[in-house]
Amino acid sequence: EVHLVESGGDLVQPGGSLRLSCAASGFTFSNYWMSWVRQAPGKGLEWVANIKQDGSEKYYVDSVKGRFTISRDNAKNSLDVQMNSLRAEDTAMYYCARLQGTSGWYRFDCWGQGTLVTVSS
Amino acid sequence: DIQMTQSPSTLSASVGDRVTITCRASHSISTWVAWYQQKPGKAPKVLIYKASSLESGVPSRFSGSGSGTEFTLTISSLQPDDFATYYCQHYDSYPWTFGQGTKVEIK
Repeated sequence: EVHLVESGGDLVQPGGSLRLSCAASGFTFSNYWMSWVRQAPGKGLEWVANIKQDGSEKYYVDSVKGRFTISRDNAKNSLDVQMNSLRAEDTAMYYCARLQGTSGWYRFDCWGQGTLVTVSS
Repeated sequence: DIQMTQSPSTLSASVGDRVTITCRASHSISTWVAWYQQKPGKAPKVLIYKASSLESGVPSRFSGSGSGTEFTLTISSLQPDDFATYYCQHYDSYPWTFGQGTKVEIK
């Protein structure tokens, strides 16, 4: 069974840093693009970042460019996001998601349970 | 950036009703759209991808249609388990964006 388990969420002060991790199991992790998607409390979904199977391509939403870095370790079946210069508007539940499909047939077909990041003084 | 605008924001319906949710893209995006269902406190679940392809395991009462800038998600006969929030999402070009969501409530 496919499993994605996020960790690392916490309360952090504005300007601070946090690293989130996602442990994957039940599938060949290195075969899939992976993503982070977030959801502010009571709000809608926001795509944050994608990373290619070998880590050679990374894409980010404009609001996190230069502050967040997505990475992966295929040997450890792990997906990370390093979040720096955190702002109040980064407060959200952060979901790790597997990206299924090839060009034109994409969808987030598996999601973790989420980890909560709160940015507040 | 391509904006995805869903309507309505909230929909009140009864079990057995046919329900249609619309999503409009700010630019033409061919059929590069997916639909998700989310229940309170849970992660989203994919229903439809490439505008009209039903994800494996999803009941056939869910269907999607559209191309270009207008897309619809239809539930042919609303079931108790379907009361949730629904999101469209495009993957035409980066940044990928979601619609603001449509909450389907019990009438």
